[in-house]
Amino acid sequence: NAGVTQTPKFQVLKTGQSMTLQCAQDMNHEYMSWYRQDPGMGLRLIHYSVGAGITDQGEVPNGYNVSRSTTEDFPLRLLSAAPSQTSVYFCASSYFHEQYFGPGTRLTVT
Amino acid sequence: GDSVTQMEGPVTLSEEAFLTINCTYTATGYPSLFWYVQYPGEGLQLLLKATKADDKGSNKGFEATYRKETTSFHLEKGSVQVSDSAVYFCALSDQRNNDMRFGAGTRLTVKP
Repeated sequence: NAGVTQTPKFQVLKTGQSMTLQCAQDMNHEYMSWYRQDPGMGLRLIHYSVGAGITDQGEVPNGYNVSRSTTEDFPLRLLSAAPSQTSVYFCASSYFHEQYFGPGTRLTVT
Repeated sequence: GDSVTQMEGPVTLSEEAFLTINCTYTATGYPSLFWYVQYPGEGLQLLLKATKADDKGSNKGFEATYRKETTSFHLEKGSVQVSDSAVYFCALSDQRNNDMRFGAGTRLTVKP
């Protein structure tokens, strides 16, 4: 079992560029989520999905899109990157409230 | 809405010292409570959890007791090691859904 995998590990974008952060899990979990981690603020929920075809907004959804076409994959899209989106992004899948996190993607927007 | 407040760091201790990291929560329902640990350059890992009042979660020498009367879930360890150096996050999850709220994290450094 690979658990939760994320790519890329590091990314630098210019303001206005778009990109997709990839997330995949092989545990057959229905619930998946995206968080951003900023210094002194813990983790904040961006979007989540309770199953294939179903997504919803979390605490800080603006500037991000998600889709869930399969149980395994939950990509996060940045539509037009802004410096305020510089952060570390974690994907997680969940089973009975126990979350399993990926290793993270460190994104810098210049 | 639901929220978690945890002791601000950083916390620096000598090896074998006693550790307490305070965590209090606000919730309208009956949350499950968690402690996660994040080692440098890694994602969060579940350290321990408790799902109802008076439950005690424990793992790797760490313990925390779910106290409904004081809305707290303080993390303790009797004798810390250098390898315990990490960032610790308190979190809650409403049992009606999977939404999880995290505290800001407490950085622990243990010196030999």
